[in-house]
Order: sequence, then C-alpha cells, then structure tokens
Amino acid sequence: SYVLTQPPSVSVAPGKTARITCGGNNIGSKSVHWYQQKPGQAPVLVIYYDSDRPSGIPERFSGSNSGNTATLTISRVEAGDEADYYCQVWDSSSLVVFGGGTKLTVL
Amino acid sequence: EVQLVQSGAEVKKPGESLKISCKGSGYSFTSYWIGWVRQMPGKGLEWMGIIYPGDSDTRYSPSFQGQVTISADKSISTAYLQWSSLKASDTAMYYCVRPEGATDQFDYWGQGTLVTVSS
Repeated sequence: SYVLTQPPSVSVAPGKTARITCGGNNIGSKSVHWYQQKPGQAPVLVIYYDSDRPSGIPERFSGSNSGNTATLTISRVEAGDEADYYCQVWDSSSLVVFGGGTKLTVL
Repeated sequence: EVQLVQSGAEVKKPGESLKISCKGSGYSFTSYWIGWVRQMPGKGLEWMGIIYPGDSDTRYSPSFQGQVTISADKSISTAYLQWSSLKASDTAMYYCVRPEGATDQFDYWGQGTLVTVSS
C-alpha cells in the first residue's frame, strides 16, 4: 500500500517561513491535499490539488509537489497557525491515504 | 450552505453494537460521495471507507474491510457507520467527510462523533 511520510514536528519563529514535507514514491504524479487540525476541532482543508487554496485560506499558505516530495509552505507564520497538518492523496490500491501528521509549533 | 451533522457522543461496552450517523444538507445528497475517517486519541487521521448514496456503491480501506459497515439512507440524506461488536480499540473520534468529486479533496467535514468503548 502507498505510504506518505511526514516529519512528526516542525518548529518556527513567528514571522518566519514553515515548510512541512510529505514524502511518497513518485508523489509528484499524484494530487496532494493538505489539512490543518487545531486541538479539539475537525480538520480544515488548506491546500488542494497541490497548490490551490480554498476561499478563506490566507495567501500565506502555499503548496508544491514534485518528484518524491510535496511541501506545504506557510509564510509569515502566526501563533494561530500552530496546529497539526496532514497531507492526503488518493491511491488506486488504498483509495485514500493520509500522512502521519506534523505538529507545527510556533516558538 | 453545505453541512454534515453527526450524531452525538457514545459510550459503549465491548461486544455491543453501534451505529453512528452523518446527515448531509445544503446539497444534493445522492450526487456526492461521503466517507468516514477515524482518529484515535492523540493519533493521526485514518481512512475507513466511502459510499456513494446515489447507488450505494461502497469502498473500504483494506484496514477496515470486515470491521465496520458503511451505509446510507438517501430518503433522509444520512450516512451511517456501524459496528456489530465493539472493541476497546474502537475508541476514537469518527469524522464523516465529503469530497467534491470521486477522488477530490475533502472540502467538508462533520463535527465528529466520539465513541468510547470501555467495560
């Protein structure tokens, strides 16, 4: 089955740029979606189809996908961005696959 | 406005059965897939399966095939997730989700149903 690998944690100072990676075999050939989950809340879509932003999501959130790595980039990080982030793809064998999640800590 | 409203928290004993629900509104219920996602305490998101209410076509994650049953009643725009015999390891938050298309992103999430299984 297809596996998505995320770093367990990423730390960044306010105002800096956070990059959260999602690794998978030839993930660049798939469409990657990203979700933000704050404590006690349901996940929220922040990036879809690698780099598109839903309405209401700040432009500070962006995404890219190439080769074996997809990346969620959060520019000018704010305290309110502290959350868990999950990548997700559709795979022919497993249908839906989620990454293990990355906890973003704002220092 | 699209909404997915899930049934309330449940506390059950091992071996008991359970059916939780997810009611869709604000869109054509029979035209969109609805899926289920598990999140065990302190853990990540796990895909369980998905159903197309229009024709009841259902697909399961290999990890959950045979462990749960996903169904839908289109007359009341409601999807279900059920267990015939709960285990302590079924303790988790369960979310229903709606993708925009068959293999698209999950634009909409229910608020979650917390299931606690304890003797």
